[in-house]
Amino acid sequence: DQQVKQNSPSLSVQEGRISILNCDYTNSMFDYFLWYKKYPAEGPTFLISISSIKDKNEDGRFTVFLNKSAKHLSLHIVPSQPGDSAVYFCAASEDFGNEKLTFGTGTRLTIIP
Amino acid sequence: DAGITQSPRYKITETGRQVTLMCHQTWSHSYMFWYRQDLGHGLRLIYYSAAADITDKGEVPDGYVVSRSKTENFPLTLESATRSQTSVYFCASGGQGAKSLGYTFGSGTRLTVV
Repeated sequence: DQQVKQNSPSLSVQEGRISILNCDYTNSMFDYFLWYKKYPAEGPTFLISISSIKDKNEDGRFTVFLNKSAKHLSLHIVPSQPGDSAVYFCAASEDFGNEKLTFGTGTRLTIIP
Repeated sequence: DAGITQSPRYKITETGRQVTLMCHQTWSHSYMFWYRQDLGHGLRLIYYSAAADITDKGEVPDGYVVSRSKTENFPLTLESATRSQTSVYFCASGGQGAKSLGYTFGSGTRLTVV
């Protein structure tokens, strides 16, 4: 039972354009959502998070949108840069205080120069 | 050096052998986690720990054992390695508020069981 789903295994975007990565979830008890970026042979690095009480959080070129009624979130990267080419993981944490994260399967983003 | 370190970086072992992957963090974070990354599955939680001497199973705990006698260390042991445990293993840590601030991951251990 995949509670966090990233249905697009890969995405290619022209440099300078907007990249939109999507994530769906099924567990209504999730209270925080996080995005991680991963380069080959490295560990995931934290990008941005959003609380379930908000619908948007912005940090520089990265914006995360949350639609609770649709159980959907998305990460927008504007403008996309070659260094953004990586695998992006969506993750979620339940509102029980145990802090563990459930991850999606990832989306490989390729920025075309 | 401050941070979270995993060792070894690469390991090849034979089926049936016991192997221990090490994880050490210098921040005194309460929470520590072990994930495995496999193609098509993303990152799956093996075990986690909320504090020293407190551990709990994650999504895929079978065949693994953990301990946490000290806050900074969280070793993962494969009691009798199987080929299905060939994977990349990531350790992570986080303190209070890590849900919004993010958890920090180590660089990973690539384990091959032959």
